Amino acid sequence: EDKVVQSPLSLVVHEGDTVTLNCSYEVTNFRSLLWYKQEKKAPTFLFMLTSSGIEKKSGRLSSILDKKELFSILNITATQTGDSAVYLCAVVGTSYGKLTFGQGTILTVHP
Amino acid sequence: GAVVSQHPSWVICKSGTSVKIECRSLDFQATTMFWYRQFPKQSLMLMATSNEGSKATYEQGVEKDKFLINHASLTLSTLTVTSAHPEDSSFYICSARGQGAKETQYFGPGTRLLVL
Repeated sequence: EDKVVQSPLSLVVHEGDTVTLNCSYEVTNFRSLLWYKQEKKAPTFLFMLTSSGIEKKSGRLSSILDKKELFSILNITATQTGDSAVYLCAVVGTSYGKLTFGQGTILTVHP
Repeated sequence: GAVVSQHPSWVICKSGTSVKIECRSLDFQATTMFWYRQFPKQSLMLMATSNEGSKATYEQGVEKDKFLINHASLTLSTLTVTSAHPEDSSFYICSARGQGAKETQYFGPGTRLLVL
């Protein structure tokens, strides 16, 4: 059974801090790893990673995948209160695209 | 691009009634749609995978007669919660995957169901 574990489960920081969110996985037929941000509604797509060692970047957010050690990290620099959300990591281990989600990391950024 | 809508966003119903939730891909054709359920402070739990024109594939422990899924076109899938009970109250989210989108799934805004 595919498994995704995120850490920490929750994190409280102040504006301007840098945070690193972790995601480790066990999947039989790895195809890709995805990061999502969830605020009050449904998740919004952040990154999709398929290759090891290639950093994906979008503004203050960046992510990288290590397929040898089976983990990914999501970095957020210069955090803002608007970054407060649940960050979800998911892996795809089937050809039809089924996502297996981790528990999520609750990030709270205080002013 | 890659917008997915859900309707309704909120529904309150009496126990024993059936509720239908629609999921539409607005600007792309979705060969596969997924239905998730999320309880407060928990992650998303996949209920079923829906492919256009064929029967849905349900995850273990999900009653297919309770949660009826129809994917009649490349842009529309529906989830019907039949004979709803208070324990069915939850946040239901659909996602859609396009023909050329590889593994990226785009989520609808979700539907909050409250069964009294």
